[in-house]
Amino acid sequence: EAQVTQNPRYLITVTGKKLTVTCSQNMNHEYMSWYRQDPGLGLRQIYYSMNVEVTDKGDVPEGYKVSRKEKRNFPLILESPSPNQTSLYFCASQLAGDHNEQFFGPGTRLTVL
Amino acid sequence: AQSVSQHNHHVILSEAASLELGCNYSYGGTVNLFWYVQYPGQHLQLLLKYFSGDPLVKGIKGFEAEFIKSKFSFNLRKPSVQWSDTAEYFCAVKTAGNNRKLIWGLGTSLAVNP
Repeated sequence: EAQVTQNPRYLITVTGKKLTVTCSQNMNHEYMSWYRQDPGLGLRQIYYSMNVEVTDKGDVPEGYKVSRKEKRNFPLILESPSPNQTSLYFCASQLAGDHNEQFFGPGTRLTVL
Repeated sequence: AQSVSQHNHHVILSEAASLELGCNYSYGGTVNLFWYVQYPGQHLQLLLKYFSGDPLVKGIKGFEAEFIKSKFSFNLRKPSVQWSDTAEYFCAVKTAGNNRKLIWGLGTSLAVNP
């Protein structure tokens, strides 16, 4: 089944404790992206990757890192999480091309205490 | 700056009522347009999209949208909503030449009362 998977789905952590949220897709998509979703603010892009070893900042990259060593994986790293990073995070992937839609993962709800 | 505006933040309807959700964008060039839906507790999924051809696009679950270039609009419609349509709806616009970035609206929360 074609899908985007994220782990963990739920995470409660404390300020400053490094964490990684994994994202994997099995559709051989070139493009992958991370979003955060907050009430009243909609979806905001954190980072995106156009292909392996190619990443770029989105609209709200501060406090986050990503890597794209393999085509299928695009982990999101929070080196020192802070409470303002409490949010719902979505990973998405897309086949290259203007007409193609993004496929979303199930989301990761992160709480930073 | 390019932006997408969804005028209705919260909509409450009764079952069988007709639905129209507004979406306007600010960009003068070629665009690709998308409507996504997010059911409670779930991830976003595509409802429909437009990139060329007939400006009236039909999507899943009886939804349709009309692209009106002169009005920079891509409104979502459904003739008769059901309780299961309760969800958040997002309009997104991809501008030509900016291949892999979507500009998102803030979303419209739809509640359908049985």
